[in-house]
Amino acid sequence: SQQGEEDPQALSIQEGENATMNCSYKTSINNLQWYRQNSGRGLVHLILIRSNEREKHSGRLRVTLDTSKKSSSLLITASRAADTASYFCATAERNRDDKIIFGKGTRLHILP
Amino acid sequence: DGGITQSPKYLFRKEGQNVTLSCEQNLNHDAMYWYRQDPGQGLRLIYYSQIVNDFQKGDIAEGYSVSREKKESFPLTVTSAQKNPTAFYLCASKTGGYWTGELFFGEGSRLTVL
Repeated sequence: SQQGEEDPQALSIQEGENATMNCSYKTSINNLQWYRQNSGRGLVHLILIRSNEREKHSGRLRVTLDTSKKSSSLLITASRAADTASYFCATAERNRDDKIIFGKGTRLHILP
Repeated sequence: DGGITQSPKYLFRKEGQNVTLSCEQNLNHDAMYWYRQDPGQGLRLIYYSQIVNDFQKGDIAEGYSVSREKKESFPLTVTSAQKNPTAFYLCASKTGGYWTGELFFGEGSRLTVL
C-alpha cells in the first residue's frame, strides 16, 4: 500500500514561477516529510512537518499540513532549472513511526 | 565521510538466480530500510529493521529476504521466487526514536534480469 498520493503526477513550469505539489494520505500520522530525487539517484530529505504544525519554511520551500483533510502541500518559490526532479511525500502511521511509506511522486520540470 | 553505500550500482542476473544487494552505513543509525522503485510507482517498502537481529516485512516482501547481523549492514537478497525483480533498489537509514523521521538514502542499485 502507498500511504501518500501526490498530485499532480507531472508539472512543467517556467523558470522563476512557483511550483505547488500536493500530497494526500490515509491514516493519522506523527509527521510528514518531503523528499527530492534527481533522475537515477537516491532521495534527499527536504523538510519534515510534525502533526501539531500547520506550516513550515526552509529557504524557498514552504510546506503546509492539514490533518483534518489528511493533506499537505509543498511550494517551491522562484523555481530554478536545478529544481527539476521528482518530489515525494512520506508518512508513518501514528504508533507505527518506524514504517515509512512513500507516494508515487510528482515529476517537476522547470523550463528555461 | 558519513553516509550509506550501496553496491553494486548495476547488476545483471539470469532468471532463476538469487542475487544479494549490499547496503552499509557509517552513520550509527539504528533503523535501516529497503525500497523498490519502478517507473511511475514511487517507492514501495520491502523490509525494514529497527535493531540488530530484528526486521519486519514491508508491503512487498514476497520473493525477498534480509538479515541484520550488524548495525552497519542490511543486505537484501532477491530470490528466484521474485517474479519481476527488474527494478531500482534503494536502501535508507535513520536514527531511532519516536519523533525522528529523516531518512538518509544510498545511491541505489539497478537490477536487470536477463
